[in-house]
Amino acid sequence: DVVMTQSPLSLPVTLGQPASISCRSSQSLVYSDGNIFLNWFQQRPGQSPRRLIYKVSNRDSGVPDRFSGSGSGTDFTLKISRVEAEDVAVYYCMQGTHWPWTFGQGTKVEIK
Amino acid sequence: QVQLVESGGGLVKPGGSLRLSCAASGFTFSDYYMSWVRLAPGKGLECISYISHTSSDTNYAASVKGRFTISRDNAKNSLYLQMNSLRAEDTAVYYCARNTRVPDCWGQGTLVTVSS
Repeated sequence: DVVMTQSPLSLPVTLGQPASISCRSSQSLVYSDGNIFLNWFQQRPGQSPRRLIYKVSNRDSGVPDRFSGSGSGTDFTLKISRVEAEDVAVYYCMQGTHWPWTFGQGTKVEIK
Repeated sequence: QVQLVESGGGLVKPGGSLRLSCAASGFTFSDYYMSWVRLAPGKGLECISYISHTSSDTNYAASVKGRFTISRDNAKNSLYLQMNSLRAEDTAVYYCARNTRVPDCWGQGTLVTVSS
């Protein structure tokens, strides 16, 4: 299985400051059609996961533009340009290129 | 809006069976692949199965293959997960999810506890 490794696992951030989460895959996520099925999910306390980003850098509908995704090959990043209180959550990267689709361990973002 | 509502979770003894259901609304159910994802206590998210819109394509994680069966009824806008030979390590919140290549919209989850 593809192993997804996130860092850091805990991320205290000051309101209004940027935050960045790294995700590394154990093998290339380039699919046979050239797409890279790397996704980011947000799980707020007491809620179901919500997809934020698909195919590395595409924001889902309704996702604020302070969230952005980037990366290539095996290294990917989720950035929050200015953290707001509602961003307190666990963030997961997930690859959908190779079955079984696999998630990172999760990064807990909290306010300092 | 998209709504996915799981049901059927509960407490079951090791070796027992449960059938989870997921009622979908707010989108054309028959147009989408669907999947089941679980979150076990102290562990990460795990995609355990998916099914194509016509049921012709299914796949399972190794941890559940041969024990769990995914199915759907497009006429009833419903997704199912038949879980047999349950083990303690199957204890988790089970989420039904709509797929656009990978899960995009998720239900609220249903808790399955396997314990004697």
